[in-house]
Amino acid sequence: GENVEQHPSTLSVQEGDSAVIKCTYSDSASNYFPWYKQELGKGPQLIIDIRSNVGEKKDQRIAVTLNKTAKHFSLHITETQPEDSAVYFCAADPRYGGSQGNLIFGKGTKLSVKP
Amino acid sequence: GAVVSQHPSRVICKSGTSVKIECRSLDFQATTMFWYRQFPKQSLMLMATSNEGSKATYEQGVEKDKFLINHASLTLSTLTVTSAHPEDSSFYICSAREVPGYTFGSGTRLTVV
Repeated sequence: GENVEQHPSTLSVQEGDSAVIKCTYSDSASNYFPWYKQELGKGPQLIIDIRSNVGEKKDQRIAVTLNKTAKHFSLHITETQPEDSAVYFCAADPRYGGSQGNLIFGKGTKLSVKP
Repeated sequence: GAVVSQHPSRVICKSGTSVKIECRSLDFQATTMFWYRQFPKQSLMLMATSNEGSKATYEQGVEKDKFLINHASLTLSTLTVTSAHPEDSSFYICSAREVPGYTFGSGTRLTVV
């Protein structure tokens, strides 16, 4: 089955710096890769996603890149702000588009942005 | 965008009692919903996949008689934790699939005392 590895587990940056979180996956059939932000005591919120037919996607300060050959994808946050502090999860869906979808999550990265 | 409403947000129950958690898709129909469990500082672990009008599919190691799932309509799935024990205390999160992605509820913090 699919396995998603996420690094680093914790990341501390100064306000204004960039943050990069990396994930690898094992199942070449996976073709949908979302990133979620989870604040304490709340459910995950989708911040950006990418499909396997796209190499890069950007939404203001957030971007995601995908390398299907290497089976890895990364989240890039530029000009970080204290409110970006949260736990970020990557995920892969090995059955996207089929009758049953499912998400396999990485273990999460706790991002701390220091003012 | 798609919204999934989950209730209650917090519940405290006595050991041996049952607790029901509701998950509703507010502006779309969800044929499939998912239930996750999350322990502190850990990732989300899929417990079961809930299918409207049919039996849920449980992940390996999840007791189907303990975690009862009902998906009686296209907008509502419920998770009932039966005969709850302190070790069932956790953060439970539901999710619904709405192409092109998945939307999550706000979670339920269950504490069994």
